This record gives sequence, C-alpha cells and structure tokens, in this order.
Amino acid sequence: KQEVTQIPAALSVPEGENLVLNCSFTDSAIYNLQWFRQDPGKGLTSLLLIQSSQREQTSGRLNASLDKSSGRSTLYIAASQPGDSATYLCAVRPGAGSYQLTFGKGTKLSVIP
Amino acid sequence: SQTIHQWPATLVQPVGSPLSLECTVEGTSNPNLYWYRQAAGRGLQLLFYSVGIGQISSEVPQNLSASRPQDRQFILSSKKLLLSDSGFYLCAWRFPGGTEAFFGQGTRLTVV
Repeated sequence: KQEVTQIPAALSVPEGENLVLNCSFTDSAIYNLQWFRQDPGKGLTSLLLIQSSQREQTSGRLNASLDKSSGRSTLYIAASQPGDSATYLCAVRPGAGSYQLTFGKGTKLSVIP
Repeated sequence: SQTIHQWPATLVQPVGSPLSLECTVEGTSNPNLYWYRQAAGRGLQLLFYSVGIGQISSEVPQNLSASRPQDRQFILSSKKLLLSDSGFYLCAWRFPGGTEAFFGQGTRLTVV
C-alpha cells in the first residue's frame, strides 16, 4: 500500500528566504506526482505535476524535483513571500490506469513578513 | 476553460439528517469525477470516483453514497448522517486519460 509522508508538518520562515518542502513515498512505481497548495478552508490549487519520466518541473518561483528510485520529491520555493503561506500537499498516482491519488498530510508553511 | 463548482461551502447538519452535496464541472465533456474527504489530522481520502454517467466506484465502505445523474454532475449523499461524517469534502475532476487533477473549493460539513 502506497504511503506518502511530508516532513516537516509545519514550517515558519522569514520573508525572502528560499525553502524546500519534502515528500517521500514508499512505492516507487508511480505514474506521476502532483504538488498542491491549500489555503485555510479552501480547496486545492494544482501547482506542479511531474510525470514519472521527468526529473523536475518549474513554474515561476516554484521548482519541483522527482527522484522516483529513492521515492522522494522536493518543492523548492525561491524568495518566499507572505502570500506563499498555505498548506502544501503532495500526491502520487500509482499508474496510468489508476483513478486514485494518494496524498500526504501536508506541510503548513508560514512566511513571516 | 474548465471550471468546477461545489456547494454549499459550509453545512451544519444534525445527526440522523440526510445529506446532499453537489459538484458540477463546466467546459469539458465526460470528465472523470471524484469525491475526497479531508478529516482533521489526516490526508485526503478518496471516497468515490466516476468515469461516466451512472458509473460509480466506491473506495471506502461508509455511510455515504454517490451518484452521477448527468455527465458533469456528481452528487454525494447520505440518508442518515453520523458524527464521524464531519469533515471537509472535496470534488475533483480530470480529463479522460489526463494526468492532472483539479479540485473544487470544498464543503465544510459539521455534524452535530
């Protein structure tokens, strides 16, 4: 059974700092991995999706990497801003024919002005 | 462009009352549709998914049911709510054969 772990559960950084969020998964046979952002009481916003054949994806100040063999992904946020404060979730999809995403519990990020 | 709508945003219901949460997707045809639940301190859990009208698959046995009466409409229901049904319910969709999942804004359900 696939398990997804995100460490740390919470992170507080000063504005302007670069930071890395971690995601690990137990079964390396994944189809893709998706990073989401969730604001309090809101739904999920898709940030980046990495296919299993890819090593990284970039969007603006965000960079996500994937090391499938070691079961790890990182989300790098450059020059953090208070507006980046949210919970960040990673989710893996087991296979192309799989309908389910397995989520981690998320990392709650606070960027202090 | 595609949009997903979920309502209501918040709901407080007494134990034993019925439930109906609705989700609609606009701007696409034959989407794969999903209901997830997010309970406090736990990750998102897939409850139901549907690949077409009238086709529902359940991932977790529970007090809830789902229906897809129209192509872009997905409904989560219960005949009698339990306290343990409280949580944050999220609807999601994906293009058939697509890679990325898109989520609605969620419904906060509190059973009292």
